[in-house]
Amino acid sequence: SQQGEEDPQALSIQEGENATMNCSYKTSINNLQWYRQNSGRGLVHLILIRSNEREKHSGRLRVTLDTSKKSSSLLITASRAADTASYFCATDNNQAGTALIFGKGTTLSVSS
Amino acid sequence: DVKVTQSSRYLVKRTGEKVFLECVQDMDHENMFWYRQDPGLGLRLIYFSYDVKMKEKGDIPEGYSVSREKKERFSLILESASTNQTSMYLCASSLGIVFTEAFFGQGTRLTVV
Repeated sequence: SQQGEEDPQALSIQEGENATMNCSYKTSINNLQWYRQNSGRGLVHLILIRSNEREKHSGRLRVTLDTSKKSSSLLITASRAADTASYFCATDNNQAGTALIFGKGTTLSVSS
Repeated sequence: DVKVTQSSRYLVKRTGEKVFLECVQDMDHENMFWYRQDPGLGLRLIYFSYDVKMKEKGDIPEGYSVSREKKERFSLILESASTNQTSMYLCASSLGIVFTEAFFGQGTRLTVV
């Protein structure tokens, strides 16, 4: 079963603009992670936010987490063409013996 | 750097064949995972393993089995390949489930004809 759902499914922006992607999930979590996937490749970890954190930054990335709404957002500032990729959120479901469950992803296209 | 290596980048097999997808990680991670990725469906968990000889079913285990005889190696087995198993298969490993990131292999694109 899908735990996280990203929104929008696809996003097209110009270089220099900001890109915001959202993720909603269903059950309580220990942490939420965001991953990036370039076309046809494996996923690369971007950032992890714990359930007791509300915001986290890493370079041009800003992640927020609202556990009351069971939602997270990923903001990429000053987008570049190289940011073109698919972005996935992933969660556990706060139970022992579970694995990371991924959403369907947001496909971001940044044009120059 | 952690490295997760999948044995094949592209694979073409015939319907009914037994198919082995191999995954090796070099960082002594306890946890290993197999996902399949299909357009519009995202990543779906097939099987995962917390330790040698241990395995847990994910969301879509039907038609698959796994083997973990050594800590660094996690194999996905398609007992009798079918065309609906044509997909991208992704292996990952992690040090722990909680508060840790997963490291992914480059993926195996399997086509069953």
